[in-house]
Amino acid sequence: GQQVMQIPQYQHVQEGEDFTTYCNSSTTLSNIQWYKQRPGGHPVFLIQLVKSGEVKKQKRLTFQFGEAKKNSSLHITATQTTDVGTYFCGTNAGKSTFGDGTTLTVKP
Amino acid sequence: DTAVSQTPKYLVTQMGNDKSIKCEQNLGHDTMYWYKQDSKKFLKIMFSYNNKELIINETVPNRFSPKSPDKAHLNLHINSLELGDSAVYFCASSPLPGGRVEQFFGPGTRLTVL
Repeated sequence: GQQVMQIPQYQHVQEGEDFTTYCNSSTTLSNIQWYKQRPGGHPVFLIQLVKSGEVKKQKRLTFQFGEAKKNSSLHITATQTTDVGTYFCGTNAGKSTFGDGTTLTVKP
Repeated sequence: DTAVSQTPKYLVTQMGNDKSIKCEQNLGHDTMYWYKQDSKKFLKIMFSYNNKELIINETVPNRFSPKSPDKAHLNLHINSLELGDSAVYFCASSPLPGGRVEQFFGPGTRLTVL
């Protein structure tokens, strides 16, 4: 079945450093979605990418979809303490599948 | 108004008991889901309903039985609870099944089985 792998599982950074989480699939994805879950909270939709090579930005967050539509990344520039949480990639095409998430902690 | 609500927020119970978690969405969505998030934060789909019909049923013990009385509600009943059932259960909804639509998650129900 369709699987989405995500790395790293954990990332600890100093405030101001950059952060990147990667999402990989063995099959071509029709779309990739990114969600953020704050500690103690629930996943909240951030963005969706559907086109090959697509790049979208939300302030300090940059989302990319690979040319082959098998991988994606989320990059945060100059992390802040408000960025802490777990970031999930996933696809809702066919069966809903999420990566294992990357938990980001930011040291002030 | 909360878009996707779940009750209860916390549930502590003994092994072997039967319990239910309720979910309601007021977004007018056709599709609802149940996810299990374990202590490592892995988010796994359990069930999905579209307009009261079951469309996704993952490899979940048959002690878990979803029920959708109408398309705004998807409840989860768990029989003979086991220690391994301890997790956070999230309900979610989306306008359509699958496809390029975002999911809206409820606040979660933290289930602890003693």
